Amino acid sequence: QLQLQESGPGLVKPSETLSLTCTVSGGSISSSNYYWGWIRQPPGKGLEWIGSFYYRGNTYYSPSLKSRVTISVDTSKNQFSLKLSSVTAADTAVYYCARIMITFGVDGMDNWFDPWGPGTLVNVSS
Amino acid sequence: QSVLTQPPSASGTPGQRVTISCSGSSSNIGSNTVNWYQQVPGTAPKLLIYTNDQRPSEVPDRFSGSKSGTSASLAISGLQSEDEADYYCAGWDDSLNGAVFGGGTQLTVL
Repeated sequence: QLQLQESGPGLVKPSETLSLTCTVSGGSISSSNYYWGWIRQPPGKGLEWIGSFYYRGNTYYSPSLKSRVTISVDTSKNQFSLKLSSVTAADTAVYYCARIMITFGVDGMDNWFDPWGPGTLVNVSS
Repeated sequence: QSVLTQPPSASGTPGQRVTISCSGSSSNIGSNTVNWYQQVPGTAPKLLIYTNDQRPSEVPDRFSGSKSGTSASLAISGLQSEDEADYYCAGWDDSLNGAVFGGGTQLTVL
């Protein structure tokens, strides 16, 4: 059974870089069928997609975060990482990693997240 | 402000059928498929419906999805207390070239 687990500091200072890692078990990041990515949820608010990538290099980033986000992968460790630079209090959120199915069919692009990691809360505060 | 629009709340009594709407545009729902997620407070979201109307094997058939034009709906029949959760629609937006979510609907079972 595929499982994902986020890890990283729970507290980051304003203007610094947030760094998180997602460790995948029970399956390979190098699987040809799937993308992988990050989603966040500010306290009491809705879900916001951050970015998605394919292990061979195709990457999509949220236009609103693109200038500050980097997603990278370490296939040898079966992990992928998120870096978000120049953080502010608005970046305080629960950060989730997830496996993503992306396909193209008669009804357009199909893009769903399953499964998700349990999430990790990152507070941006001095 | 979310790209996909959902009502902030919905409610029903046990056994009832409730529907949650999701409104988008030609660049997202009108061009691509819709997915739905259930999030019990304090837990990670769980995939409920994919490709407009498909259910993962572990999701009860009380849950169903549909799509028409630039709108989609999630229906829950035989409402149960355990269905009390937040529900999110999601998809892909061709103009933004990215994934988009609705703002979420908090379902209360009265």
